[in-house]
Amino acid sequence: GAVVSQHPSWVICKSGTSVKIECRSLDFQATTMFWYRQFPKQSLMLMATSNEGSKATYEQGVEKDKFLINHASLTLSTLTVTSAHPEDSSFYICSARTDSTDTQYFGPGTRLTVL
Amino acid sequence: AQSVTQPDIHITVSEGASLELRCNYSYGATPYLFWYVQSPGQGLQLLLKYFSGDTLVQGIKGFEAEFKRSQSSFNLRKPSVHWSDAAEYFCAVGAAPFGNEKLTFGTGTRLTIIP
Repeated sequence: GAVVSQHPSWVICKSGTSVKIECRSLDFQATTMFWYRQFPKQSLMLMATSNEGSKATYEQGVEKDKFLINHASLTLSTLTVTSAHPEDSSFYICSARTDSTDTQYFGPGTRLTVL
Repeated sequence: AQSVTQPDIHITVSEGASLELRCNYSYGATPYLFWYVQSPGQGLQLLLKYFSGDTLVQGIKGFEAEFKRSQSSFNLRKPSVHWSDAAEYFCAVGAAPFGNEKLTFGTGTRLTIIP
């Protein structure tokens, strides 16, 4: 139980294009989902927290207009990197939890490379 | 602000030997502490967590960790490692297990197992 998937697992795009990453909770309903970014050899940095049906809460320094987050259902959250640039290349990881658990369940991550 | 330090970037251990991964945290109140493991291409899996009570916590895969408030540490241990334990290990601290409180991660320790 408590499986979180991400799609795609990796993506390569041209600079200036937008990329959408999906995060799904497969066997539970996620009231809260989190998006993290991980640079090589660095730790995971929380980008934003999203609750189903409401606007995401972004961490300081994260551009909300660049990283669009939608949590339209209890099993799906999406992160759209708009007008991507090479500096946006990174490993993006989502996690999900329900109100009844104290544990975040993590997806396998999405490797984004912007050329 | 909370922070986590994992002083060892990379550790190499012989199969069957004991293991200790270090984690030091900084937080003004009672911390909620976690250890996660990340294998290549996979998401983070929770090994164990500490919220309160017994300071020695048992986790999955034979891991345990001990919370030492006086040393602000939460070191992960395993008496005998297996080749399958090779992975990246992350220590994390949270302000609360529920709600939208974020997890702050350390930079991770990569564990290599040699025959």
